[in-house]
Amino acid sequence: SQQGEEDPQALSIQEGENATMNCSYKTSINNLQWYRQNSGRGLVHLILIRSNEREKHSGRLRVTLDTSKKSSSLLITASRAADTASYFCATENSGGSNYKLTFGKGTLLTVNP
Amino acid sequence: IAGITQAPTSQILAAGRRMTLRCTQDMRHNAMYWYRQDLGLGLRLIHYSNTAGTTGKGEVPDGYSVSRANTDDFPLTLASAVPSQTSVYFCASSSFSNQPQHFGDGTRLSIL
Repeated sequence: SQQGEEDPQALSIQEGENATMNCSYKTSINNLQWYRQNSGRGLVHLILIRSNEREKHSGRLRVTLDTSKKSSSLLITASRAADTASYFCATENSGGSNYKLTFGKGTLLTVNP
Repeated sequence: IAGITQAPTSQILAAGRRMTLRCTQDMRHNAMYWYRQDLGLGLRLIHYSNTAGTTGKGEVPDGYSVSRANTDDFPLTLASAVPSQTSVYFCASSSFSNQPQHFGDGTRLSIL
């Protein structure tokens, strides 16, 4: 069963613009992670935000987390053609002793040069 | 370069055949995972292992088995392949089970 749901499913922007992707989830979490997947490759971890954090930055990436709304957003500033990829959120659910990630279906980002 | 190696990179297999997908990591990570990725369904966890010698079932374990005899290797076996197992299979690892995961580049498997 899917925990995270990304929105939009697809996003097309011009180089230099900002890209915002959203993720909503259903149950309480320990942390939420964002991953990138280039076509034909495996996923690459971008950033992890814990349930007691509200915002994290990494280079051109900014992630926010609102646990009251059960949602997160990933902002990529000053996008580049190389940012073209699928982006997935993944939640580690709280409770229990098995720390497994549940992935959403992803947002396909296309950055046009 | 340290990371995860999956083999084969792609395979076409007749239904009913047995197939083992290989996964090896050289990062001495404790936890390893197998996912399948299908269009429109995202990634779904098949099996996982929190440490060598232990395994657990994920969301879609039926038709698959795993073993974790040592830290580095985590093979996934399809005992009798069926067409619905056509998918891209990703192996991943993490230093501990609550840490970010590192992924291999996948095995593209087609069952005819």
